[in-house]
Amino acid sequence: DADVTQTPRNRITKTGKRIMLECSQTKGHDRMYWYRQDPGLGLRLIYYSFDVKDINKGEISDGYSVSRQAQAKFSLSLESAIPNQTALYFCATSLRETQYFGPGTRLLVL
Amino acid sequence: QKEVEQNSGPLSVPEGAIASLNCTYSDRGSQSFFWYRQYSGKSPELIMSIYSNGDKEDGRFTAQLNKASQYVSLLIRDSQPSDSATYLCAVTPNYGGSQGNLIFGKGTKLSVKP
Repeated sequence: DADVTQTPRNRITKTGKRIMLECSQTKGHDRMYWYRQDPGLGLRLIYYSFDVKDINKGEISDGYSVSRQAQAKFSLSLESAIPNQTALYFCATSLRETQYFGPGTRLLVL
Repeated sequence: QKEVEQNSGPLSVPEGAIASLNCTYSDRGSQSFFWYRQYSGKSPELIMSIYSNGDKEDGRFTAQLNKASQYVSLLIRDSQPSDSATYLCAVTPNYGGSQGNLIFGKGTKLSVKP
């Protein structure tokens, strides 16, 4: 089984809808991260969490929220999706600096 | 704004040649450096980490770090078509509250021609 899993793997939604992307890990890492990746813009950090009670904004948090339900689970929500949130979203985990990525969720907002 | 710069490429090399990928970073206090490989549509996969000046070798891959010049490079010897991917350089910033995060470059696309 994969150490870091993301659900769903693909999602199509409409403008204004609320959606949640979920991340689970079995690596036992305390730190978890959400990134988005756009062509030509690279990986950009949305939110990160160093433990269950610690949530921090990243470079591009506007329009997103997160929930750390447990050490192993970190969810990303788009409260009201807009087309420019169409991207590839990755969850990652780490013990210290070395990060391990999930398989990604491809999101299309129409 | 702390930055990590990479040439976007594409870098094209013939099979069997040495591919050289370069990365520069702006935060002089950075301590940890990583190379990730990303195939199209897939997630980044860690190839190498390096923390000290000099070279670190792992199979066909060699990472080189020069903190004084603020650059890190990745050499791929005996390049294979399966090495064709985008290579991401990542650096840990050295400012309060963000230790452990990574700043990623935009990546260099490598194409190895048979």
